[in-house]
Amino acid sequence: DAGVTQSPTHLIKTRGQQVTLRCSPKSGHDTVSWYQQALGQGPQFIFQYYEEEERQRGNFPDRFSGHQFPNYSSELNVNALLLGDSALYLCASSLAGPDTQYFGPGTRLTVL
Amino acid sequence: DAKTTQPTSMDCAEGRAANLPCNHSTISGNEYVYWYRQIHSQGPQYIIHGLKNNETNEMASLIITEDRKSSTLILPHATLRDTAVYYCIVKRGSQGNLIFGKGTKLSVKP
Repeated sequence: DAGVTQSPTHLIKTRGQQVTLRCSPKSGHDTVSWYQQALGQGPQFIFQYYEEEERQRGNFPDRFSGHQFPNYSSELNVNALLLGDSALYLCASSLAGPDTQYFGPGTRLTVL
Repeated sequence: DAKTTQPTSMDCAEGRAANLPCNHSTISGNEYVYWYRQIHSQGPQYIIHGLKNNETNEMASLIITEDRKSSTLILPHATLRDTAVYYCIVKRGSQGNLIFGKGTKLSVKP
């Protein structure tokens, strides 16, 4: 039974570029949440997707957007990258939203 | 902001029980206590959660006080691989997001 998977593992971008991160949920899960973790901090909630709709959003600008596909996988898009967007981006999946969330290994994004 | 308070760091000897405290004095009746841990640069790992009864699984035990204002995560026989940051999180059943604080950095020493 595959757990949550994320790709790529690492990514380097320059300021102003756009990036897309991908997440496949744990088998049987239908909800995907995204978190940003800056160095030395706890993860911060970005948004959650359920039934292909954004159902909850944290305090992140519109440069952060997402999508959920019919197979429940999800993408996180960040436009106009800033140096401060450098972080570990985590995806978590769960069943029907408020259930226990299980995290993937994360994507380390470095913005130069 | 996180609704929990945890010590910044703790040490534990290998093979001994690790007892990690968490204060959540403003917890509401419909809020659960969740514990996750994060080993350096990996994704957080779910450990256990509970509402008001004590819980035990293959990883740990969770002891919640009767007034639910605090809890303790117990790792019965800590190993070097248990060295990690441990997060205590309070979450409503209907709430989608987890609010992480700074957690407790547990160091298990030989």
